[in-house]
Amino acid sequence: GQQVMQIPQYQHVQEGEDFTTYCNSSTTLSNIQWYKQRPGGHPVFLIQLVKSGEVKKQKRLTFQFGEAKKNSSLHITATQTTDVGTYFCVPSNNDMRFGAGTRLTVKP
Amino acid sequence: DGGITQSPKYLFRKEGQNVTLSCEQNLNHDAMYWYRQDPGQGLRLIYYSQIVNDFQKGDIAEGYSVSREKKESFPLTVTSAQKNPTAFYLCASSIRSGGSGANVLTFGAGSRLTVL
Repeated sequence: GQQVMQIPQYQHVQEGEDFTTYCNSSTTLSNIQWYKQRPGGHPVFLIQLVKSGEVKKQKRLTFQFGEAKKNSSLHITATQTTDVGTYFCVPSNNDMRFGAGTRLTVKP
Repeated sequence: DGGITQSPKYLFRKEGQNVTLSCEQNLNHDAMYWYRQDPGQGLRLIYYSQIVNDFQKGDIAEGYSVSREKKESFPLTVTSAQKNPTAFYLCASSIRSGGSGANVLTFGAGSRLTVL
């Protein structure tokens, strides 16, 4: 299955600061999904990106899919303590392999 | 309410014992998956099944076994051959595998296995 690299692995921000995680693939992706896992919880689906150059917003979250469909990013504006958790990008394939994710902590 | 139920939530096992983790879904999903998560780590794919009576190995299948005799059930057995089984196990399902929009995952709450 396709594998992606996510950076950074960890990010600690002050509440109110912005946060971005990047997802990179060496191969072209058909589409990509993003999930969030709160501490002690299970991953929850956030969004799926399909089209080249696609940008989708969910309140303070902005998701982008690169023009070449080899990378994606999640940007959170003005983080809040409720944003704490691990964010995963997952190539949408038969095997649905997750990577290590980016763990976000927010200091109040 | 539709969803995925994993049981038990917590399980303790002695070394050398096999244990079976249950995963049941009433979402009428075709595909089901098992993942393992170690503390502070990502999810690693153990097994997945796209259809009844068929399943494929993931990245860390050694020491685990599964069955898919019914569409709604995908139990995972952690055998004594698994050398370090203490972990958080997550089951997920999707409408079907492959294709755009087809395989959004719904997860169960997980089962936490501790080997004593």
